[in-house]
Amino acid sequence: EIVMTQSPATLSVSPGERVTLSCRASQSVSSNLAWYQQKPGQAPRLLIYDASTRATGIPASFSGSGSGTEFTLTISSLQSEDFAVYYCQQYNIWPPGTFGGGTKVEIK
Amino acid sequence: EVQLLESGGGLVQPGGSLRLSCAASGFTFSSDAMSWVRQAPGKGLEWVSGISGSGGTTYYADSVKGRFTISRDNSRNTVYLQMNSLRVEDTALYYCAKDRKVYEYWGQGTLVTVSS
Repeated sequence: EIVMTQSPATLSVSPGERVTLSCRASQSVSSNLAWYQQKPGQAPRLLIYDASTRATGIPASFSGSGSGTEFTLTISSLQSEDFAVYYCQQYNIWPPGTFGGGTKVEIK
Repeated sequence: EVQLLESGGGLVQPGGSLRLSCAASGFTFSSDAMSWVRQAPGKGLEWVSGISGSGGTTYYADSVKGRFTISRDNSRNTVYLQMNSLRVEDTALYYCAKDRKVYEYWGQGTLVTVSS
């Protein structure tokens, strides 16, 4: 099973700042990686798939990059509604589609 | 508009059973695979099971294999998760999600608590 490791676990950020979240796979997942955002009490929301393709309705402030084992999610200018937990998920070796442990982006 | 509505969660003793349901609408149900993903309280996401559009192929996480059974009724636009031999560690919010590998649409979840 592929292990997905996200860092940092928590990120304290001021509104308007640029944010970069990291996700590392224990072996190559090619570009078969997705990012999700989850706010308290809500279901996850798909942001990015195929490592860099934005899902429907996702603003251009969200971008994904990487391939193989190293991936990043960048939020160009953090808005108040972006404070949430972010998960990466690989689906190259499936089943199972393994998720990372998440990065919580909190207000500084 | 795609909608997924889970039901069937509740409190059950270890060793007990529950059947979760997910009623779908807003898309051609029989054309799409469906999945169950769970989230233990305060924890991350864990894929549990998936089923093809026809229902002919099913997939399970090792942690539930042999205890959980996924099925679907395409005439009712509903997917099910039969959970047997439940363990304390199965306590989680169970989400239904559209598609096999990448989940653009999710339900709001149904809470399963396994406790004596």
